[in-house]
Amino acid sequence: QQQVKQSPQSLIVQKGGISIINCAYENTAFDYFPWYQQFPGKGPALLIAIRPDVSEKKEGRFTISFNKSAKQFSLHIMDSQPGDSATYFCAASVGSSNTGKLIFGQGTTLQVKP
Amino acid sequence: DAGITQSPRHKVTETGTPVTLRCHQTENHRYMYWYRQDPGHGLRLIHYSYGVKDTDKGEVSDGYSVSRSKTEDFLLTLESATSSQTSVYFCAISKGTFYGYTFGSGTRLTVV
Repeated sequence: QQQVKQSPQSLIVQKGGISIINCAYENTAFDYFPWYQQFPGKGPALLIAIRPDVSEKKEGRFTISFNKSAKQFSLHIMDSQPGDSATYFCAASVGSSNTGKLIFGQGTTLQVKP
Repeated sequence: DAGITQSPRHKVTETGTPVTLRCHQTENHRYMYWYRQDPGHGLRLIHYSYGVKDTDKGEVSDGYSVSRSKTEDFLLTLESATSSQTSVYFCAISKGTFYGYTFGSGTRLTVV
């Protein structure tokens, strides 16, 4: 019940296209859903995050869509660029636990072709 | 990353030897975490700390121990390294649940 399942494992998109990565969870106590971006040889970096009281959050070309009833959330990258090529992780945590610990998905390797 | 450093960056060690990885922060954040990253498994939590001398286990804690004697330092010890512990280890810090993590640059550990 603590798992976060992420798909696809890898994704190839043409420059200018839309990249979509999906995550699903079971634990209804999760109330914080961040996405992280990781470039080779670097640590992951926080990209965007959402709380379950909203269905969508947008920051520049990056949008999180959240479906509470389906227990799913997704990351959309609009106008994908070669510089977006990286590994993306979704994650979830229970805010009330006061531990801050995140459960991560398995990761998606995105390649944007010029 | 700014405010958090991991050492060493790379290490090769022999099976059965103890290994200690260090995470140092200058942000004065309460929470610190150790994760390991393996292909197909994403990032899995080993141990975490919610204050000085306050630590707890994560999902893959067997074979690992941690200590936090100061706010700024969080040590991860592999008590007797095995080949299955070959991985990239990341430390992360956080002010709290809704603030997200700042990760270090990682330690690539190879156990031969």
